[in-house]
Formats: sequence, structure tokens, C-alpha cells
Amino acid sequence: DTGVSQDPRHKITKRGQNVTFRCDPISEHNRLYWYRQTLGQGPEFLTYFQNEAQLEKSRLLSDRFSAERPKGSFSTLEIQRTEQGDSAMYLCASSSEEELEQYFGPGTRLTVT
Amino acid sequence: AQRVTQPEKLLSVFKGAPVELKCNYSYSGSPELFWYVQYSRQRLQLLLRHISRESIKGFTADLNKGETSFHLKKPFAQEEDSAMYYCALSGPGDYKLSFGAGTTVTVRA
Repeated sequence: DTGVSQDPRHKITKRGQNVTFRCDPISEHNRLYWYRQTLGQGPEFLTYFQNEAQLEKSRLLSDRFSAERPKGSFSTLEIQRTEQGDSAMYLCASSSEEELEQYFGPGTRLTVT
Repeated sequence: AQRVTQPEKLLSVFKGAPVELKCNYSYSGSPELFWYVQYSRQRLQLLLRHISRESIKGFTADLNKGETSFHLKKPFAQEEDSAMYYCALSGPGDYKLSFGAGTTVTVRA
């Protein structure tokens, strides 16, 4: 499967713990996006990378959130001191420089207890 | 501010009947508009975009700049069209997508 992959698919954590998610984009795609989706809502943009540069961050991305794409390939999203409000599906997508279409991964479902 | 509104959370139609999913947007400028679909247990995927002006799986969508709408239509719904549909927009040169809340379509036999 050469699509976007995300790991883990599910994560249950206790409030106050740190979590890290990984996204592997389609190999030739230089753009990578993170979105968050809560129940009954569409995905909301969090942040965007072009190669290794983080070019835009949403106001939704509080100081507890950090994203990296160190070598312009895979990306990680870390949430520190998780809160119950962080419970959501975290989606990763990638696209090429030539295309508008974003290809989505299966998502990581986070549950904070 | 850019916003996408999908007024219908749920839409139920009979097989063979027409289906129309409404999408309204607010954006100061000329956005790019998309419809994404998520079938059961599958990932979100692009259905169609307004710039390509093509019909995908029998669906079409017309951009009406006067009414700021981008409604999705299919003349004869099929059971395999049952899915969650999201309308989305991005600004020119702006790669992030802004999504509506989605419409769940159920096509009954």
C-alpha cells in the first residue's frame, strides 16, 4: 500500500500524559498536513509542512502541540499534558506540488481519559 | 474569514431518486472548491473539484459565485453512494482545506 499511513491507529491515554503520532506521506509528496476531527464536525486544519519547513499553524495548535518533519519525509505530532478536550481523530494528508488533491491517511483516534 | 456550511446533517433517499447535497461558503475572493467523500471504514478521499468540471461516479457540482454555493448532485442515487460527504474550500495559493460539518447520505433500496 503506497498511501498515507498513520501510527498508531488508536491511542488511549490518561489526562496529563504526552502522546506522539506519526504520519508517513506518499513518498513523492512534499506537502504534509495535519487536521483534527471531532464528532459531528469536519476536519479542522492544524498545521502544514512543505518539505521540512512548517509553513502555517492554526490557532487551534496550542503551545501543548508540536509538529515536526525533520527530513521532509515522515512527520510527528506531539501533544503534551493531554486534556480531555484533545480527544479526537487526528488526520494526516499529503499532496504534491503540482496537484491540489490531498490524500488522507486513516487517522489516529485519541481518547483521553 | 472562510467558512463552509452544509445545512443538512442527514439525507435519506431511495435508490434511483435524485440526490442533492447543499454547500454554501463564505470567502472574500475566488476559492477552490472540493467535495470529499468517506465511505464506511474507508479514508477520506477526493470526489471532485470545481476546476476540473468533470463528473465523477455520476456526481456533478456547479459553482454559483452569486449565491456562493457549490451543491453536489446526482440524478439517480445508488446504494453504493451511501457515505459521508464533505464540502471543502481553499484559497488560491493557500493549501489548507476548510471543511463543512458533513452530510451523511443513506440510499435505501
